[in-house]
Amino acid sequence: GIQVEQSPPDLILQEGANSTLRCNFSDSVNNLQWFHQNPWGQLINLFYIPSGTKQNGRLSATTVATERYSLLYISSSQTTDSGVYFCAVARPTGGFKTIFGAGTRLFVKA
Amino acid sequence: DTEVTQTPKHLVMGMTNKKSLKCEQHMGHRAMYWYKQKAKKPPELMFVYSYEKLSINESVPSRFSPECPNSSLLNLHLHALQPEDSALYLCASSQAGRNTGELFFGEGSRLTVL
Repeated sequence: GIQVEQSPPDLILQEGANSTLRCNFSDSVNNLQWFHQNPWGQLINLFYIPSGTKQNGRLSATTVATERYSLLYISSSQTTDSGVYFCAVARPTGGFKTIFGAGTRLFVKA
Repeated sequence: DTEVTQTPKHLVMGMTNKKSLKCEQHMGHRAMYWYKQKAKKPPELMFVYSYEKLSINESVPSRFSPECPNSSLLNLHLHALQPEDSALYLCASSQAGRNTGELFFGEGSRLTVL
């Protein structure tokens, strides 16, 4: 099956710093999402981005499907950005099977 | 506010109990999912229903029994669980076109098996 690798696994930032999270995948995909899981466990949709670039406030994401990676940018980080960031992908022939990467655990210090 | 609602938020059960987790969505989606998430791990797919029919079962033990009574509801019936089944159970929904659409998750049901 498709492999999804996220880096770095852990990240500690000072409030106000910028960061880039990476997601590599091993096969072509037709669906790529970035999620933020808050400390209470809820998965919050950040971006649905099979290709191209999107921005939402301090967050932006870029997926280069031909090179099989996606990047999530967090600018001017805040303590509320802490949590786990997951990349999840689905293959064109994968039916409804969406596979998650292992996640990047982010802690933003005040 | 999430448009996928899960109940209960927390559940504690013994190994001989029978309980159910419930999920409801009002987004008009025709694909619904159950994921299981252990601590410090990513969510793992358990079941997928497409147009109220089971389309994916990821070799889940029979002590977990899914049910999709209509296009808005998804249940997960639990019976004779083991302590290692303690986890966060997440429900999700998406459009059910040719390919997987954007997934939307509920807040999860945190299950503890004693």
